[in-house]
Amino acid sequence: AQSVTQPDIHITVSEGASLELRCNYSYGATPYLFWYVQSPGQGLQLLLKYFSGDTLVQGIKGFEAEFKRSQSSFNLRKPSVHWSDAAEYFCAVGAAGYSTLTFGKGTMLLVSP
Amino acid sequence: EAGVVQSPRYKIIEKKQPVAFWCNPISGHNTLYWYRQNLGQGPELLIRYENEEAVDDSQLPKDRFSAERLKGVDSTLKIQPAELGDSAVYLCASSLDLGGSSYNEQFFGPGTRLTVL
Repeated sequence: AQSVTQPDIHITVSEGASLELRCNYSYGATPYLFWYVQSPGQGLQLLLKYFSGDTLVQGIKGFEAEFKRSQSSFNLRKPSVHWSDAAEYFCAVGAAGYSTLTFGKGTMLLVSP
Repeated sequence: EAGVVQSPRYKIIEKKQPVAFWCNPISGHNTLYWYRQNLGQGPELLIRYENEEAVDDSQLPKDRFSAERLKGVDSTLKIQPAELGDSAVYLCASSLDLGGSSYNEQFFGPGTRLTVL
């Protein structure tokens, strides 16, 4: 069975500083990997996804993520965080052939002035 | 184009009462999902529909939860009777699945926040 681990429950970053959110997955084949963002009272918005090919993927809002098969990781990065990035971030894995997602427990990002 | 619509957005009920959530997926999307998101957790799949057929309901607590997707469009998720532990956000998502081995993006609604007192 597939699983996702997000080891950081909360992260606080100063506005303008760089950000890296960690995600490790467990899946027997090549996974489909995703990062979603959820603002309070809102649904999930897709930031970026990895299916195959280039291991560095670009997403919306200036986010990027790098797939590292050897480390079973798919970490999310942003070079300069804005106050509006404060939200909860979820990493998810999907399997080829069907669309059901398995989510991690999320990382809450707090942005300090 | 409208996104996934869910109603109500918030619901407060007493335990042992019934409750129902409604979802209208994106027009043309054949696959519909219901997820439950407990506080501090990621969403967990309850049930997945392909058109009218429930193809994955292994995580749906069938003693008290039921769902339907008549005509393969809108869907309703019901809990009867509700328990304290059912307090959570219930998310609906939809996707257009064309078959094969490709992955099809899911689009999420804003969710219904249920509080059981």
